[in-house]
Amino acid sequence: QQPVQSPQAVILREGEDAVINCSSSKALYSVHWYRQKHGEAPVFLMILLKGGEQKGHEKISASFNEKKQQSSLYLTASQLSYSGTYFCGTEGGSNYKLTFGKGTLLTVNP
Amino acid sequence: SQTIHQWPATLVQPVGSPLSLECTVEGTSNPNLYWYRQAAGRGLQLLFYSVGIGQISSEVPQNLSASRPQDRQFILSSKKLLLSDSGFYLCAWRAGRYEQYFGPGTRLTVT
Repeated sequence: QQPVQSPQAVILREGEDAVINCSSSKALYSVHWYRQKHGEAPVFLMILLKGGEQKGHEKISASFNEKKQQSSLYLTASQLSYSGTYFCGTEGGSNYKLTFGKGTLLTVNP
Repeated sequence: SQTIHQWPATLVQPVGSPLSLECTVEGTSNPNLYWYRQAAGRGLQLLFYSVGIGQISSEVPQNLSASRPQDRQFILSSKKLLLSDSGFYLCAWRAGRYEQYFGPGTRLTVT
C-alpha cells in the first residue's frame, strides 16, 4: 500500500528549515528517502532500517518511528540546491521492493 | 564503486512498434534489479523486479515484459507500444535489503 507524504508542497527561503513526513498503514522494515530534480533520476538520501540502523548523506537527517510506521525527513538551513521533489519509499515484510509515496515538492527561494 | 547504466537516454517510437530498454550494473554481484515507470509529473510505479537470473516478478499487468539474461543485466521489452507507455523508465539496483540506487533513466515518447 502506498505511503502518504505530507505536505504535498512547501516553499522556503534559503536558510529556513522544513520537515517532510511519510506515513504507512502497515508494519515497515525500512524507509528510504530520495530527492528528484526536474528531468533527472531520483537520488538516494537516506535509509532507515527497523532496529535503528540508518545510512545517508551527512547534511540530511531523518527519523523512523517503527511503532507508528512513520518517518520524517529534516532539512535544516536549506540551500537553493535542496529544491526538488522528495519521495519516501517503504518496505514491509520480505519482498525486497519499495512502494513510493506521491512526493513532496520543495522549492527554496533566495 | 558500483555504477548503473541505462540506454538509450531518450527514445521516440510510433504506436505498435517494439521496445527494448537495457540496464546493466557494474561493481557488484547478485544485485536485486528493478524497473520503474514515472509518468509526467507523477510518482514512481514499480513494473518488475528480480532477485536473481531468470527470476522476474511482475507488479502491473500490461503489455510490457522483463528479462534478466545475466546477473547484472535487466531488459524491459514490449512487442507493441501503446500511447500510455510513454514515460520516464528507471532501472534501479539494490544489494539485499540496503539502499537502492537508480540509473539515469530512459525518456520514452510514444507517438
